[in-house]
Formats: sequence, structure tokens, C-alpha cells
Amino acid sequence: GAVVSQHPSWVICKSGTSVKIECRSLDFQATTMFWYRQFPKQSLMLMATSNEGSKATYEQGVEKDKFLINHASLTLSTLTVTSAHPEDSSFYICSARAGTGSLYEQYFGPGTRLTVT
Amino acid sequence: AQSVAQPEDQVNVAEGNPLTVKCTYSVSGNPYLFWYVQYPNRGLQFLLKYITGDNLVKGSYGFEAEFNKSQTSFHLKKPSALVSDSALYFCAVRQSGSGGYQKVTFGTGTKLQVIP
Repeated sequence: GAVVSQHPSWVICKSGTSVKIECRSLDFQATTMFWYRQFPKQSLMLMATSNEGSKATYEQGVEKDKFLINHASLTLSTLTVTSAHPEDSSFYICSARAGTGSLYEQYFGPGTRLTVT
Repeated sequence: AQSVAQPEDQVNVAEGNPLTVKCTYSVSGNPYLFWYVQYPNRGLQFLLKYITGDNLVKGSYGFEAEFNKSQTSFHLKKPSALVSDSALYFCAVRQSGSGGYQKVTFGTGTKLQVIP
């Protein structure tokens, strides 16, 4: 099956610094990638949808200047958390869309645990 | 707006017994339904999906789910639980549609605990 990787798997950073998380589709091209955030014992919340070569579409309430998303190629999307604060600590999961039309599949990465101290 | 309800935060079942994890949904039109499993500090793994056709869907690791349109349910089942099935299970729905992207909505998750 299709594989999606994320790097790093976990990261600790100091408050005020920026952190970049990479999401790669390893054996397929993904024109669309999704970024989710998951709080402990809660469901996945869609943060944004990124399409290769265009600006990401952010969900309501998600600060686009804080969570910068770049989808520069068909196999790579990055999420940069800028000026991180402790409340940004969370589990971030990316997902890549394979296929076109209505019968597409979504494959999920293993997630990145971000801790801001 | 579409939604998914997983009414049980946790389900406990003895090893070897059948298990059921409940899911109901609300969506306009025909639904596409999914079950995913998540192990601690890991991403979601796809288990099975219902798109159309047979209401009983068979998936990975011996899991199956039954689509019930009249009850708007898509309960996950397994005839004999294993300790290794202990994990967090998410039900998800998206609206069927021609082309484009339809947003996926996830349930809140059900923790399955299989007791040896």
C-alpha cells in the first residue's frame, strides 16, 4: 500500500522558535495533502488542505501566518509552526491523497509529536 | 453539516470474545464510510471502507463493518478479539461526490481494551 512518512517523529523546541515538519508520499504522487492536529484523547482536527503549487486552504480558526504550509512538489508538503508557544504542543498528522475523482484514498503519516517548552 | 458519533469512549472485551465498536453518521446524500485504527503515538492505519455495494465490508486484521442505511450506522466488528487489537479506533465519513475533494469528518474515537 501507499506509504506516507513524516519527519521528525518527535521534536522539542523552545517557546518563540519555529519548527518545520515534513510530510512525504514515498511511492505515489499526491496532488493534495492534509494536515491534522490531534489533542490528547481527542479526534483529528483538519487544519488545512494543501494542493501542489498553490496556496493552502485553512480551516476556520487556524492561523495561516502561524502554521505555514508549503506543498512544493507532488511528494512533499511541509508545515512550519512559527513562533511556537506551549499551547501549540500537540500531535500533528499529515495525510496524502492518492487518486483522482470521488474515489480517492487518503493515506496517513505516522505523526509528529511537538512539545514546546 | 456532516457528523460522526462514536457513543462509547471505551470498550472492554475479553480476549477471544466478539467485539463491536459503534458508529453512527449524518451526511447529505450517499456516504463514504471508513474505519481507522491508531496505536499510541502513531498515525492512522486504514482498516476498511464502505463506498457502495455489499453492506458487509471486510477489512484488515479480521475486522468487518456493516453499513445500515436505515439506522445510519457503520459498526465495526470482529468475531474473536486479540490483545493486540487494543488501540484507538476512529470512524470517519465523507460525502460522495463527483470529482473534487469532500472533507472527511472523524468521530471522537473509541478506545478498545482487550483483556487477556
